[in-house]
Amino acid sequence: DAGVTQSPTHLIKTRGQQVTLRCSPKSGHDTVSWYQQALGQGPQFIFQYYEEEERQRGNFPDRFSGHQFPNYSSELNVNALLLGDSALYLCASSLENRDYDIQYFGAGTRLSVL
Amino acid sequence: QKEVEQNSGPLSVPEGAIASLNCTYSDRGSQSFFWYRQYSGKSPELIMSIYSNGDKEDGRFTAQLNKASQYVSLLIRDSQPSDSATYLCASAKSSGDKLTFGTGTRLAVRP
Repeated sequence: DAGVTQSPTHLIKTRGQQVTLRCSPKSGHDTVSWYQQALGQGPQFIFQYYEEEERQRGNFPDRFSGHQFPNYSSELNVNALLLGDSALYLCASSLENRDYDIQYFGAGTRLSVL
Repeated sequence: QKEVEQNSGPLSVPEGAIASLNCTYSDRGSQSFFWYRQYSGKSPELIMSIYSNGDKEDGRFTAQLNKASQYVSLLIRDSQPSDSATYLCASAKSSGDKLTFGTGTRLAVRP
């Protein structure tokens, strides 16, 4: 049973560039959430996708956008990169319509902005 | 006031001892609580989930929830050096809701 997979593992970009991160949810899961984790901090919620729609959004600027595909995989796009965007980006998947759905995390993408 | 608060540590315990990790939350609407373990450079791994007041045990781990006092704790019995990691406490208001994390408590189990 494949878990949550993310690509790429590491990424180095320069300020002002754009980046796309990808996530495939755990088999059978239909909901994808994205989190940003800065060094020494807990993960911060960016947004959540369900049925190809953004369902919830955290306190992140519009430079952060996403998409969910019919196969439930998802992309996170960040435009006009800033140094402060350097972080570990985590994708978590879960299954909607369960009493208490657990979010399972992928290995993450470490983004460095120079 | 942060929504979920944890002592950043490090909490140092000898091998074989009980490690006690604590977490408080400010939003009384929170219904679900989770403990994740995160090794350095790795992603969070779910250890325990708890939804009702009281204790929930799973192997060497026991989660405790007190909604009246708005705190959650995690006890690790017979601590092992492999338990050395950062433990993240998270809350959610409902099923499907976003997770709100604390900053994590770093646990060091010394041989």
